[in-house]
Amino acid sequence: AQTVTQSQPEMSVQEAETVTLSCTYDTSESDYYLFWYKQPPSRQMILVIRQEAYKQQNATENRFSVNFQKAAKSFSLKISDSQLGDAAMYFCAYRSAEGTYKYIFGTGTRLKVLA
Amino acid sequence: DTGVSQNPRHKITKRGQNVTFRCDPISEHNRLYWYRQTLGQGPEFLTYFQNEAQLEKSRLLSDRFSAERPKGSFSTLEIQRTEQGDSAMYLCASSWGQGARYFGPGTRLTVL
Repeated sequence: AQTVTQSQPEMSVQEAETVTLSCTYDTSESDYYLFWYKQPPSRQMILVIRQEAYKQQNATENRFSVNFQKAAKSFSLKISDSQLGDAAMYFCAYRSAEGTYKYIFGTGTRLKVLA
Repeated sequence: DTGVSQNPRHKITKRGQNVTFRCDPISEHNRLYWYRQTLGQGPEFLTYFQNEAQLEKSRLLSDRFSAERPKGSFSTLEIQRTEQGDSAMYLCASSWGQGARYFGPGTRLTVL
């Protein structure tokens, strides 16, 4: 069975600085998708970034980028120029490319942004 | 397009009572998912619909849980004979095919 691990329960970053959130996963599959979701306090989850396992190029969305290391089964999220609005729970998620459509989520990392 | 909506947003019930939650997906989305999220944890998959067909159910979905999507639009999740362990946030999400999955704000259930 696949598992997703986020080993940092909480992280802090100064406004305008860069922070990296870690995620590791375990799978025997070769094709899958990885995601980072943001869940602000009392608000719904929104997709931050998505990575297809077959793509070697790391995904980037504005200030958000990932470091995808397939062999190491690592998928970290880098947030550049952190803003107060980035404060939220961040969840890493895995989805198999075939068969099941369920996401497997990690336990999340709470990001605090300090003014 | 107003996004995924869920009602009610909060529900407090006594142990043993039945509760029903509703999810209205984004109108053109054919796939709908239910998740449960407890404090300090990531969401856990419960079940998935493609149109009106329920195609996958988690082992977490005990016999007390039932979900429907009768016309392939909105969905309901019913919990019978609620237990304190059912207290959680119940999240609904929808997508068009394998496209981006959009989550609703959730229904927070408290079982006393």
